[in-house]
Amino acid sequence: AQSVTQLGSHVSVSEGALVLLRCNYSSSVPPYLFWYVQYPNQGLQLLLKYTTGATLVKGINGFEAEFKKSETSFHLTKPSAHMSDAAEYFCAVSVGGSQGNLIFGKGTKLSVKP
Amino acid sequence: DGGITQSPKYLFRKEGQNVTLSCEQNLNHDAMYWYRQDPGQGLRLIYYSQIVNDFQKGDIAEGYSVSREKKESFPLTVTSAQKNPTAFYLCASAGTGYNSPLHFGNGTRLTVT
Repeated sequence: AQSVTQLGSHVSVSEGALVLLRCNYSSSVPPYLFWYVQYPNQGLQLLLKYTTGATLVKGINGFEAEFKKSETSFHLTKPSAHMSDAAEYFCAVSVGGSQGNLIFGKGTKLSVKP
Repeated sequence: DGGITQSPKYLFRKEGQNVTLSCEQNLNHDAMYWYRQDPGQGLRLIYYSQIVNDFQKGDIAEGYSVSREKKESFPLTVTSAQKNPTAFYLCASAGTGYNSPLHFGNGTRLTVT
């Protein structure tokens, strides 16, 4: 069965520092992987997705993620944090090729200190 | 602009009452979904519908009901049988194909006392 583990429910970085949010998945078939961002009291927005092809995926707002099959990981990174990056981030894996049938991780709340 | 509209933003009900959450989309998407979000729990799928007049239970359907009479609308009813209904509810839609991203509404926060 597919599952997603996000390491660290809270991550705090200084403005300008590297952002690294960790996601490991379990899937019996080649996975489709996604990162979403949620600002307070709002819905989720797609940051980026991996389906097939290039393993380094670039998304919006300067974020990128690398699919590493050998490590079953899909960590999200951004070279330099901005105050506006403070939000909750969710990693998700597709269970059937359909976007709606996603298994979500429990989320990582990112704080950015000035 | 196209999007998903959830209403109301905040909803308060007394225990034992049924309540219906609205979700409307003008993206012409076939598929629609309802998720429940609790702090530290991620998102859990309640119901989904891939075509009008058809829907399937998700992981936590007990105590909830839905209808899909129109492509644009997918209302969720939280019944009195739902033991712990206080939560943030998110509606989403998607077009056909795995490359079509999920579009989310801004959610309804339901508080039952």
